[in-house]
Amino acid sequence: GAGVSQSPRYKVTKRGQDVALRCDPISGHVSLYWYRQALGQGPEFLTYFNYEAQQDKSGLPNDRFSAERPEGSISTLTIQRTEQRDSAMYRCASSLRGGGSYNEQFFGPGTRLTVL
Amino acid sequence: KNQVEQSPQSLIILEGKNCTLQCNYTVSPFSNLRWYKQDTGRGPVSLTIMTFSENTKSNGRYTATLDADTKQSSLHITASQLSDSASYICVVSLSNSGYALNFGKGTSLLVTP
Repeated sequence: GAGVSQSPRYKVTKRGQDVALRCDPISGHVSLYWYRQALGQGPEFLTYFNYEAQQDKSGLPNDRFSAERPEGSISTLTIQRTEQRDSAMYRCASSLRGGGSYNEQFFGPGTRLTVL
Repeated sequence: KNQVEQSPQSLIILEGKNCTLQCNYTVSPFSNLRWYKQDTGRGPVSLTIMTFSENTKSNGRYTATLDADTKQSSLHITASQLSDSASYICVVSLSNSGYALNFGKGTSLLVTP
């Protein structure tokens, strides 16, 4: 596709359930990033991949959150035992080259997660 | 505490008018500053990027300024159009962790006919 795609666009789940959010980056983009955006706030960094290697996961809030990118393309962000405070927009971005501050990140439309 | 502060939080202007959005940051060590436009329901799209040595950058009707000494930036929109209605987000990158972007909360701009 032409841009970063994410699925599902909307996810409603009950507290305690696990969810998996998918990101399909722009073809050929080396780096992939996950962000969380609460309502009325700017996105907050979660984790970053270079190819299949997870370079930085310092933004993941706790061990219920994990991410993978096994073949260096599609990535999955998994939240186990969801809690209401996990409700947010989860955004994925990709950049053509490795994660440096000058490499423009292109953002996907996001997945709106609501935990009841 | 958010280290990238934007003002105003929201703004309503008439079509054709100009406006200026402000961004103050405290994060360091500074690498570059971007302004993003985020349409409702869409991901942010980069408008401009400025490094430490640049103090102005234009992209069509958008002009961004940067004062790295006072850690302030502004985004000026000239001759506003209805399609300019969006959230404008100031984003600062650090030289020691460039990929982890530091986002402001954004300014919500509404351009009315």
